[in-house]
Amino acid sequence: QSALTQPRSVSGSPGQSVTISCTGTSSDVGAYNYVSWYQHHPGKAPKLMIYDVSKRPSGVPDRFSGSKSGNTASLTISGLRAEDEADYYCCPYAGDYTWVFGGGTKVTVL
Amino acid sequence: QMQLVQSGGGVVQPGRSLRLSCAASGFTFSSYGMHWVRQAPGKGLEWVAIIFYDGSKKYYADSVKGRFTISRDNSKNTVSLQMNSLGAEDTAVYYCARGAGAVAGSFDPWGQGTLVTVSS
Repeated sequence: QSALTQPRSVSGSPGQSVTISCTGTSSDVGAYNYVSWYQHHPGKAPKLMIYDVSKRPSGVPDRFSGSKSGNTASLTISGLRAEDEADYYCCPYAGDYTWVFGGGTKVTVL
Repeated sequence: QMQLVQSGGGVVQPGRSLRLSCAASGFTFSSYGMHWVRQAPGKGLEWVAIIFYDGSKKYYADSVKGRFTISRDNSKNTVSLQMNSLGAEDTAVYYCARGAGAVAGSFDPWGQGTLVTVSS
């Protein structure tokens, strides 16, 4: 159960797009189409943004999108807004009813 | 609306035990698996445990296996985490979360979090 690799930080100006990668292995990201992404503002509860690789829960803006290729999943935020500044975590299912989180990426809106 | 309200937490000495609870409302609790996730200070999120909707199966992260026990009471819409033999490495904010979608799916919603500090 090792942590997945995410960039420590990404940044962009309002209106721009940023993409966060989540690199795992053939035992987690590459094995199942069960990758979710969470937005976490410090001191608050994490919020589900993407599930099953690319599906958006009700209420999540369509500026947020997810994809996967091989052992790497990605979260793209388009039309960046100030309120998007937060930490983002990927979390794939890792088999045998276990899950593993990425190390987290801090998104900064310049 | 769906809500998870946590209780418990606090400061505990190394080697001692602590129990966290999470009360659910706004959804049919007995139909969903429930998870615990934690975040150590300055660190990322770490999945801790899952209990199936009916309590029949439980799974744990290697880091807590044999020390932590997840349980649920579907008559009271609550899930608990009994933590024994606590060490400094268990210091973290603990979150309960509902399993969403397929069993292998995501976590939504989350509780507000409760801080556990293991210190002498």
